[in-house]
Amino acid sequence: DGGITQSPKYLFRKEGQNVTLSCEQNLNHDAMYWYRQDPGQGLRLIYYSQIVNDFQKGDIAEGYSVSREKKESFPLTVTSAQKNPTAFYLCASKPSRDTEAFFGQGTRLTVV
Amino acid sequence: GQQVMQIPQYQHVQEGEDFTTYCNSSTTLSNIQWYKQRPGGHPVFLIQLVKSGEVKKQKRLTFQFGEAKKNSSLHITATQTTDVGTYFCAHRGSGNTGKLIFGQGTTLQVKP
Repeated sequence: DGGITQSPKYLFRKEGQNVTLSCEQNLNHDAMYWYRQDPGQGLRLIYYSQIVNDFQKGDIAEGYSVSREKKESFPLTVTSAQKNPTAFYLCASKPSRDTEAFFGQGTRLTVV
Repeated sequence: GQQVMQIPQYQHVQEGEDFTTYCNSSTTLSNIQWYKQRPGGHPVFLIQLVKSGEVKKQKRLTFQFGEAKKNSSLHITATQTTDVGTYFCAHRGSGNTGKLIFGQGTTLQVKP
């Protein structure tokens, strides 16, 4: 089945630790996105990539990093510099600029 | 920048009542997309509007794009409990950035 897979579904992190969230798609989509969702704040764009080996900062990139070494993979690292990382993280992909986005199931990150 | 304002943030209706959510921008939008996120789920694409004054229907859902392409609405006729969730509008940022920017969302609760 084609789709976007995010793992893990739930993640717990100790303060001061970096953690990497996985996002893999087999839809052959060029564009991929990472969003953060907090209650009452909708989806806020962290990073996006329109093509392999290229990515741009979104509106809330501070404390996060990404890589796009392969078309199908767009991992997000939440670094210790992110002050309030507890949130629901959603990965999405699109085949091209003006098409619909397909979302993964999300990863819920909790700092303990 | 390039934010869209979505109102209301929350709406509680009795089953059978109508519901409308509005998406407003201070700048002209190239297109507008609508997504639905069920509780505990991920956003799922509903529709895309591109033309000025465009109106599209999906069963009980009616989507409109304003004449000036600065606002959009989603209207649900005779709500059902299956309509529960958060509805988001989204648009592509200006220029050729490839961004996909979401509104804050409207959360709909339907009382049976």
